[in-house]
Amino acid sequence: GAVVSQHPSWVICKSGTSVKIECRSLDFQATTMFWYRQFPKQSLMLMATSNEGSKATYEQGVEKDKFLINHASLTLSTLTVTSAHPEDSSFYICSARNSGGNYEQYFGPGTRLTVT
Amino acid sequence: EDKVVQSPLSLVVHEGDTVTLNCSYEVTNFRSLLWYKQEKKAPTFLFMLTSSGIEKKSGRLSSILDKKELFSILNITATQTGDSAVYLCAVEDGGSQGNLIFGKGTKLSVKP
Repeated sequence: GAVVSQHPSWVICKSGTSVKIECRSLDFQATTMFWYRQFPKQSLMLMATSNEGSKATYEQGVEKDKFLINHASLTLSTLTVTSAHPEDSSFYICSARNSGGNYEQYFGPGTRLTVT
Repeated sequence: EDKVVQSPLSLVVHEGDTVTLNCSYEVTNFRSLLWYKQEKKAPTFLFMLTSSGIEKKSGRLSSILDKKELFSILNITATQTGDSAVYLCAVEDGGSQGNLIFGKGTKLSVKP
């Protein structure tokens, strides 16, 4: 149980285009999902907290107009990287908290984004 | 500012050795401390610790939390090459929505 999926697992896009990454909790409901970014050889950095049915809470330094988050249902959150730049190339990982469980966060497998 | 500090940043050992990884933290509203193992993809969960002094054990891995001194250790006995990974420590912030604050990780390399 407690499986979180992400799609796509990797994506290459051109500068200036937008990319949408999906995060799904497959067998539980997640009121809250988290989006992290991880650059090579660095730790995970929280970008934003996504709450179902309300606006996301962004960490300091993360542009909300560039990284659009939509948490439209209890099992799906999406992160859209708009007007992508090469410096946005990174590993994006989501996690979902089981609303009915012990508040443990379950991580998705991650999405490798490369912007050329 | 909340922070989680792990040491050492990297460690090279031989199979069969025992290793101890350290994690210290300064977090205003502590809820729990978690250990993860990260290989090539997303972190996989190892332990969640909420109470001081109670050792959690899973096979060759064990962990304990000291809430007075604000640190935790992760022990791995009889290391194997498959233990090679980055071990991440994270503290859950109970004051907000349960954000995880991650340390930089300890990269463990186990040589045959």
